[in-house]
Amino acid sequence: GAGVSQTPSNKVTEKGKYVELRCDPISGHTALYWYRQSLGQGPEFLIYFQGTGAADDSGLPNDRFFAVRPEGSVSTLKIQRTERGDSAVYLCASSLTTQGAQPYNEQFFGPGTRLTVL
Amino acid sequence: AQKITQTQPGMFVQEKEAVTLDCTYDTSDQSYGLFWYKQPSSGEMIFLIYQGSYDEQNATEGRYSLNFQKARKSANLVISASQLGDSAMYFCAMREGNNFNKFYFGSGTKLNVKP
Repeated sequence: GAGVSQTPSNKVTEKGKYVELRCDPISGHTALYWYRQSLGQGPEFLIYFQGTGAADDSGLPNDRFFAVRPEGSVSTLKIQRTERGDSAVYLCASSLTTQGAQPYNEQFFGPGTRLTVL
Repeated sequence: AQKITQTQPGMFVQEKEAVTLDCTYDTSDQSYGLFWYKQPSSGEMIFLIYQGSYDEQNATEGRYSLNFQKARKSANLVISASQLGDSAMYFCAMREGNNFNKFYFGSGTKLNVKP
């Protein structure tokens, strides 16, 4: 079966531009996560969706970052007025849902989108 | 304070030897879960092994085992009989009981397996 997919795989943009990053979770997974991985670092939590709603957006660094999941499946991470410091790999993950569904709520990761802001 | 600390930026191991990757964690929750992920150069995160805070036995998955020392708050990954394909970044991660869906990752260890 298909895993988590992310598009584009690479995105190069200029400082100040707007970008959208897309994530297609595994079919049937109601939980979806966005992480940011800077060079040489581990993934850093950004936001988590349960269904259509953002259950936890405490990791979003500022109001230039926004994410949606209007139909409870595909999610889009939106970054306004990009800055060079936004350059990173943006990872998306999905999981079945709550604790009761899996003993350890394994998150399945996509291949990431590498964002470069010039 | 860092939730997950991985103090080994890089490690070398000879093929067929065992290697231990260190991980310490910080939480005040009684219920938590510890994970190890592998990230090859291709970039995807591959789940390896899980240890729950209430599990009394160390987790094992094939060549992977987790040396869980609760009092020391350590969760080291042991890879036995290293293979060339084990060369990758390895990340330790934790989720806490009060925020089940939020993962905290360490900074990773780059493992190089030498032939």
